[in-house]
Amino acid sequence: NAGVMQNPRHLVRRRGQEARLRCSPMKGHSHVYWYRQLPEEGLKFMVYLQKENIIDESGMPKERFSAEFPKEGPSILRIQQVVRGDSAAYFCASSPGTDGNTIYFGEGSWLTVV
Amino acid sequence: QKEVEQNSGPLSVPEGAIASLNCTYSDRGSQSFFWYRQYSGKSPELIMFIYSNGDKEDGRFTAQLNKASQYVSLLIRDSQPSDSATYLCAVNPSGGSYIPTFGRGTSLIVHP
Repeated sequence: NAGVMQNPRHLVRRRGQEARLRCSPMKGHSHVYWYRQLPEEGLKFMVYLQKENIIDESGMPKERFSAEFPKEGPSILRIQQVVRGDSAAYFCASSPGTDGNTIYFGEGSWLTVV
Repeated sequence: QKEVEQNSGPLSVPEGAIASLNCTYSDRGSQSFFWYRQYSGKSPELIMFIYSNGDKEDGRFTAQLNKASQYVSLLIRDSQPSDSATYLCAVNPSGGSYIPTFGRGTSLIVHP
């Protein structure tokens, strides 16, 4: 039973380019979360999605960042016009959405902006 | 703002000792609590979850929850060098939100 799958694992982008991070949730899970972790800092919530719906995007910067979870295919976190401050580990997690709602993380995508 | 607080450490314990990791939270209505382990350069890995006051044991790990004091802890018995990692406390807030809030983590070092 595959876990949460993220790709790419490592991504290097020049300032001003776009970064696209993909996440396939664990089988049977319909809820997806994106968290960002800056070096030496904690996990910061960005966005919470269900299929075709953004439930909560209160942690996501208003500009340059967007997320989607289409009916078919993985969830995508998109960062436009990347800046050096976007360099971080981006973790996707999924859950079944039931009471208690334990979330399980993917292996992460490490973005480096040069 | 709902907060989860952890001492950043590092907490250093000798091999074979009990490591005690602590976490406090601000949202009194929180219902579910989680401990994750994160090795350097890796993703968080779920260790335990606890919903009810009291202790919950799983192998060498024991989670303790005291909702009145808004306090949750993780005990690691017979600590091993392989337990050296950052331990993250996470709390599901009240109000039906399914978005866990994470503490910044406590770094644990188990020395031989």
